[in-house]
Amino acid sequence: DGGITQSPKYLFRKEGQNVTLSCEQNLNHDAMYWYRQDPGQGLRLIYYSQIVNDFQKGDIAEGYSVSREKKESFPLTVTSAQKNPTAFYLCASRYATGGNQPQHFGDGTRLSIL
Amino acid sequence: QKEVEQDPGPLSVPEGAIVSLNCTYSNSAFQYFMWYRQYSRKGPELLMYTYSSGNKEDGRFTAQVDKSSKYISLFIRDSQPSDSATYLCAMSSPPGSARQLTFGSGTQLTVLP
Repeated sequence: DGGITQSPKYLFRKEGQNVTLSCEQNLNHDAMYWYRQDPGQGLRLIYYSQIVNDFQKGDIAEGYSVSREKKESFPLTVTSAQKNPTAFYLCASRYATGGNQPQHFGDGTRLSIL
Repeated sequence: QKEVEQDPGPLSVPEGAIVSLNCTYSNSAFQYFMWYRQYSRKGPELLMYTYSSGNKEDGRFTAQVDKSSKYISLFIRDSQPSDSATYLCAMSSPPGSARQLTFGSGTQLTVLP
């Protein structure tokens, strides 16, 4: 089945620790996105990538880093510089050509502080 | 002021009711409009996608767009308990923009059996 796979489903971070969230898609989508979702605030864009080896900051990139070495993979690292990392993290992807294609989402990773 | 405003609810209706969910926006450059449904602890699922003013129907769901008033709605007919979820409106940045989507904050809906 084609889709977007996020792992792990739940993740716990200790103080001062970096953690990496995985996002893999087999939809052959060009563009990939990371969002953070907090209660009552909707989705806020962290980083996005249109093509391999290229990515741009979104609205809340501070304390996060990404890489895009393969078309199907877009991992997100939450660094120790992110002081309030507890949230639900969502990865999305879409075709970047052929008009304004909608985004499709994975089932998220819930990150909590120990 | 947020670019997209959405009433957070919560909204509670009896089974079989017609549900109306709404968003307003301030950026007249938005061209494409989407509704996503999000169940608890799951990712958003695309329900409706439209780019023109007027109505688009898909089964029990109707999406309505009024660009002159900067107002979009999602109607759910014959609502079912399985429709209980958070509904997110989303709008696309101008064509060609890589960022693409601006989201409302979501409306939490409960359909009571």
